[in-house]
Amino acid sequence: EDQVTQSPEALRLQEGESSSLNCSYTVSGLRGLFWYRQDPGKGPEFLFTLYSAGEEKEKERLKATLTKKESFLHITAPKPEDSATYLCAVQALGNNNDMRFGAGTRLTVKP
Amino acid sequence: KAGVTQTPRYLIKTRGQQVTLSCSPISGHRSVSWYQQTPGQGLQFLFEYFSETQRNKGNFPGRFSGRQFSNSRSEMNVSTLELGDSALYLCASSLDGRPDNSPLHFGNGTRLTVT
Repeated sequence: EDQVTQSPEALRLQEGESSSLNCSYTVSGLRGLFWYRQDPGKGPEFLFTLYSAGEEKEKERLKATLTKKESFLHITAPKPEDSATYLCAVQALGNNNDMRFGAGTRLTVKP
Repeated sequence: KAGVTQTPRYLIKTRGQQVTLSCSPISGHRSVSWYQQTPGQGLQFLFEYFSETQRNKGNFPGRFSGRQFSNSRSEMNVSTLELGDSALYLCASSLDGRPDNSPLHFGNGTRLTVT
């Protein structure tokens, strides 16, 4: 069965303190791995799609990378407005288009 | 461009009642997916509709159902509510329902509380 595990559950950083979030996955053939950001009381907001090992994508202070077993979301010099829950999801090969989500990492950036 | 709109934002219902949630997708998007989000289980896939047809269904009981209209708007219905149905219900739309091809865009959800 497809599984997605995110770590750590929660992360507290000082403003400017860079770090990485981890997403480990087990899937019978990967069609895509997705990163979303969710603010309290809101729906997830799409960040990145990664398709194959070695791929990297960047957006402002965020960079997502992908290996055959895990993905990292690197946050460089974070700001308080980066505080949110970051969700990772995978889509497996096959006819179904549903995504399997991890439990998320709750990031807090202190000024 | 307007985002995904879900109504109502909050609902309080009693066990045994039924509820209907509504979702208006982004203009031009033909696929609508529904997810349930709870603190214990996280985000779980309910079902996906494309051009008024249910294409995929998650592992939820038959009390959970949905439909899609010709204008791509979608409704989700939960009958015989149970306490465990309390959750945030999220709707997501995309051009073709393939996340690897067209990212899913989520609404802000309907918070359902069953008492």
